[in-house]
Amino acid sequence: NAGVTQTPKFQVLKTGQSMTLQCAQDMNHNSMYWYRQDPGMGLRLIYYSASEGTTDKGEVPNGYNVSRLNKREFSLRLESAAPSQTSVYFCAIRPGGNRGNTEAFFGQGTRLTVV
Amino acid sequence: RKEVEQDPGPFNVPEGATVAFNCTYSNSASQSFFWYRQDCRKEPKLLMSVYSSGNEDGRFTAQLNRASQYISLLIRDSKLSDSATYLCGRSGGSYIPTFGRGTSLIVHP
Repeated sequence: NAGVTQTPKFQVLKTGQSMTLQCAQDMNHNSMYWYRQDPGMGLRLIYYSASEGTTDKGEVPNGYNVSRLNKREFSLRLESAAPSQTSVYFCAIRPGGNRGNTEAFFGQGTRLTVV
Repeated sequence: RKEVEQDPGPFNVPEGATVAFNCTYSNSASQSFFWYRQDCRKEPKLLMSVYSSGNEDGRFTAQLNRASQYISLLIRDSKLSDSATYLCGRSGGSYIPTFGRGTSLIVHP
């Protein structure tokens, strides 16, 4: 999806290491989201940012922090990675505002393995 | 109980078959509904939004039943290339999209 770019695409971490997942969009959308997807669990919301300057916790925020650096970028940080954070991470965007309930667009995902 | 429930399947059907998936949601304040397609090791991609009056896009038909709080997806004349996982999603007043766990479809020759 050219509109949402996630980096890196793959990462292996050792337990206790830290890393930041990057998400950038070129669609000028207000709302950005971080999900994790695990087998049998579906997409679970970690954090979201309804607009530039705001962030809020989702369903599974423990062990993560986020930064909405500007309108384009929304990063997800793991301060001390744990094996339970092995997952596929997706960034998603939506227009927000008075177009808040339109569809979401996803980035290509980051496959993270914590050993 | 998850906000959005789907039968995980897999649904195993022959080419040319018609197959239907249902998805139930628990939040009556839900305002918008979607079906996404997700291929193995790829991101979810929007298949179609679901409108109150129902909508059709080629071989795909989506319907919404607010009274019973479910949405459905009908695929006619299934193709091998339809094999994928289908996610239903909804959002409401909080504008946070939530999704079901997905339904796996396998179309065989």
